[in-house]
Amino acid sequence: KAGVTQTPRYLIKTRGQQVTLSCSPISGHRSVSWYQQTPGQGLQFLFEYFSETQRNKGNFPGRFSGRQFSNSRSEMNVSTLELGDSALYLCASSLQGGYAEAFFGQGTRLTVV
Amino acid sequence: AQSVTQLGSHVSVSEGALVLLRCNYSSSVPPYLFWYVQYPNQGLQLLLKYTSAATLVKGINGFEAEFKKSETSFHLTKPSAHMSDAAEYFCAVNSGGSNYKLTFGKGTLLTVNP
Repeated sequence: KAGVTQTPRYLIKTRGQQVTLSCSPISGHRSVSWYQQTPGQGLQFLFEYFSETQRNKGNFPGRFSGRQFSNSRSEMNVSTLELGDSALYLCASSLQGGYAEAFFGQGTRLTVV
Repeated sequence: AQSVTQLGSHVSVSEGALVLLRCNYSSSVPPYLFWYVQYPNQGLQLLLKYTSAATLVKGINGFEAEFKKSETSFHLTKPSAHMSDAAEYFCAVNSGGSNYKLTFGKGTLLTVNP
């Protein structure tokens, strides 16, 4: 059974640009969550989607957005990139979210220069 | 609101020694608790989870954790450390309901010395 796949693994962008990250969850999983990991702030929740609906959103500016498609694949977008957006972005999938066990992808390392 | 505190950002043990990583949580409702491990340049791997079925939870790679409600703790232990255990460990809590997210501690970096 394939795990959670995140693409790309590494990305370098310039300040002011926008970026789209992709996450393919485990087959059959309908919940996808996104987390940002930085040395200073640790792991912070961005948002969670279930059956194409956002159910919860973390405390991030509106530049951070996401969506989920009917096949449960998810994308997150960051517009007008800032240096502080440099981080490891992790996607997690689970059957239904909440208490259910979450499986993480290897992450996308975003560097903003 | 839910929160997690991991005591000790860095723990160093000798190979073969006991591993003890501390986690305390705060939750207004009975929580679900998790321990994850992260190796360099990798995502998070679930070690074990507490879901109220039993207070002593056994996980992968010889790790286990005990839920103590009175102490609001969920410490991770392993009787004998192996070099391959060197990694960063994260404790996380989910209080359920409409709160579809994990709240993580800051992490503990485990170093295993030969």
